[in-house]
Amino acid sequence: DIQMTQSPSSLSASVGDRVTITCRASQSISRYLNWYQQKPGKAPKLLIFAASTLQSGVPSRFSGSGSGTEFTLTISSLQPEDFACYYCQQSYNSYTFGQGTKLEI
Amino acid sequence: QLQLQESGPGLVKPSETLSLFCTVSGGSISNGNNSWGWIRQPPGKGLELIGTMYYSGMTHYNPTLRGRVTISVDTPKNQFSLKLTSATAADTAVYYCARHLIAAAGPYNWFDPWGQGTLVTVSS
Repeated sequence: DIQMTQSPSSLSASVGDRVTITCRASQSISRYLNWYQQKPGKAPKLLIFAASTLQSGVPSRFSGSGSGTEFTLTISSLQPEDFACYYCQQSYNSYTFGQGTKLEI
Repeated sequence: QLQLQESGPGLVKPSETLSLFCTVSGGSISNGNNSWGWIRQPPGKGLELIGTMYYSGMTHYNPTLRGRVTISVDTPKNQFSLKLTSATAADTAVYYCARHLIAAAGPYNWFDPWGQGTLVTVSS
């Protein structure tokens, strides 16, 4: 199975900060990497698919990059509504998720 | 706009079968390259794929659950279902259904949209 490891597991930041979350795969997954945002008590919401394609309706302050085994999700200027948990998910072989990164104020 | 809604018992006894349904609205369950999946999240923990049914009718199940899981589609009801046999306390989780979209131009794929989720507790 392909293991997905996110870092950090939690992150404290302020409104207006630039934040980067890293996701590493245990083997190459090309660009088969998706990012989701989950707020407390809510279902996950797709942010980015295929490593860097922004889902329709997602603000442009979110961006994704990477290929192979290392990927990043960047939020260019944090807004109050961005404080949530973020998950990466590989879709190359089976569909495993990272453990999540909790972004806190 | 496609919407999904989970339904089913919120309490299941140990050793019994956990059964959930996902009703799709705003589109046909048999439309194009739509596949359908189930994902769960134990309280306070991360996300785990349970399985997915591809538009071809083939299924993929999480190896750790294989043998206990069945996903099926009921086209007339625009609904798909999950059955998980021999439930234990470890199966207590919020269960989400989601469309598993596979890009027409290539095998990139992702889960979107998701249902709101339903909490299932396995306890006597």
